[in-house]
Amino acid sequence: EVQLVESGGGLVQPGGSLRLSCAASGFTVSSNDITWVRQAPGKGLEWVSVLYSGDSTYYADSVKGRFTISRDNSKNTLYLQMNSLRAEDTAVYYCARSQQLGHGFDMWGQGKMVTVSS
Amino acid sequence: QSALTQPASVSGSPGQSITISCTGTSSDVGSYNLVSWYQQHPGKAPKLMIFEVSKRPSGVSNRFSGSKSGNTASLTISGLQAEDEADYYCCSYAVSSPYVFGTGTKVTVL
Repeated sequence: EVQLVESGGGLVQPGGSLRLSCAASGFTVSSNDITWVRQAPGKGLEWVSVLYSGDSTYYADSVKGRFTISRDNSKNTLYLQMNSLRAEDTAVYYCARSQQLGHGFDMWGQGKMVTVSS
Repeated sequence: QSALTQPASVSGSPGQSITISCTGTSSDVGSYNLVSWYQQHPGKAPKLMIFEVSKRPSGVSNRFSGSKSGNTASLTISGLQAEDEADYYCCSYAVSSPYVFGTGTKVTVL
């Protein structure tokens, strides 16, 4: 089955770190652009970061310098390392696939909740 | 990069047509034909409904259509059905971001 499955969410204190994983099956992550999108409780979608198939990475200003996106081709898995977490990072985090620039995010993971609170 | 502007809510009766607007700038919607639309039901992941302004992925009903004029993109749902009640988000490629989402629109079927 072609799908994305996220793991690694949970509760973390402000200033702490957490790593999200996004495991792909049925396709090769390195041949696609993979994006992280988050949604704070009761709020809209916010683009967070992208790792292009060509290895370029980009980040939203709100997470730049704190979050790092990476990929392990041997595990067909994408990661989002989140450091110096703040309360405003509390959200459901989704990974999503785009097969080509501008073709839209055609496959999404189920989402993982990250809660930053003391 | 500021979020694209969408109306907070749009409503219509079954069978009617509704249109959701998505207003950006010359740095995003106005510069690229790379606008996509997503449907999100409560507690679910978003679903791609339109890409590249007006193209439908396989499996998406032809009741959904997209267009663009200048800095504003639009999603039209014709023959509104109860199952269309959901939140809808536009998304555009952007010069600086590289992606930016809209503020979201809640569609209510009366």
